[in-house]
Amino acid sequence: EIVLTQSPGTLSLSPGERGTLSCRASQSIKNRYLAWYQQKPGQSPRLLIYGASSRATGVPDRFSGSGSGTDFTLTISGLEPEDFAVYYCQQYGTSQDTFGQGTKVEIK
Amino acid sequence: EVQLVESGGGLVQPGGSLRLSCAASGFTFSRYSMNWVRQAPGKGLQWVSYMSSSSKIIYYADSVKGRFTISRDNAKNSLYLQMNSLRVEDTAVYYCARIDDWSGPSPGEVWGQGTTVTVSS
Repeated sequence: EIVLTQSPGTLSLSPGERGTLSCRASQSIKNRYLAWYQQKPGQSPRLLIYGASSRATGVPDRFSGSGSGTDFTLTISGLEPEDFAVYYCQQYGTSQDTFGQGTKVEIK
Repeated sequence: EVQLVESGGGLVQPGGSLRLSCAASGFTFSRYSMNWVRQAPGKGLQWVSYMSSSSKIIYYADSVKGRFTISRDNAKNSLYLQMNSLRVEDTAVYYCARIDDWSGPSPGEVWGQGTTVTVSS
C-alpha cells in the first residue's frame, strides 16, 4: 500500500495569498496517477486535479498541480474566501487507492 | 443532471450487517466503474472498494476484505455495498464515486452526498 503524507497539517493564510500544499508518497506513483480534492464542512469531496497537473472540469485556474515520482504539490495562487477548506491528495494507480490525511487551509 | 444518491445507512450493533445502495442518474451507469469511500467522524477519506463497469474487476481495502462485498446492477443503475461483521471502527459516512477509467486509471469525478453508518451497542 502506498502511504501518502500531506504537509502541513494546517495552513493559515489570508485571502489573496498563495498557498502551497505538499503530498509525499512512500513509493513512486506511476504515470502521475495523483489527484487532489477539496472538501468543505458537510459537503462531499470535489475533484480539483487529476494526473498530478490536469484541472477537472470547472476548476478555476488559480488551482494548479505539479510533481512526479514521490513528491507532488497543489498550489492555490490568490486564495479566495471560498477556498478555505480541507484538501486531500489521492493516488489511484494501484489496486488499492490511498488518500493523504489532509491539509486544512484556514483563514489567518 | 449527473447524480449519485446513497442510502441504507443507519445504526447497527457490532457484528451486525447493513446494505448500502448508490442510485445513479443522468448518465449511462453501465459505462463507469465505481468506488466506495468512507470518512470516519472528524477524520480523513479512506478508500473502501472498487468495481469495474463490467463487474469483472473488484478490489477491497485490507480493513474490509472478507467482510464487505461490492456489487452492482446495471439494469437498475445501482451500486451496492453489503457490510457484514461490522465493527465500531466502520462508523463513517460512506460515499460512492464515479470512475471514468475507460482510457486508464482515474479518480472519483462525481460523488454522492454520503450515507451515515454508525456501529454502536
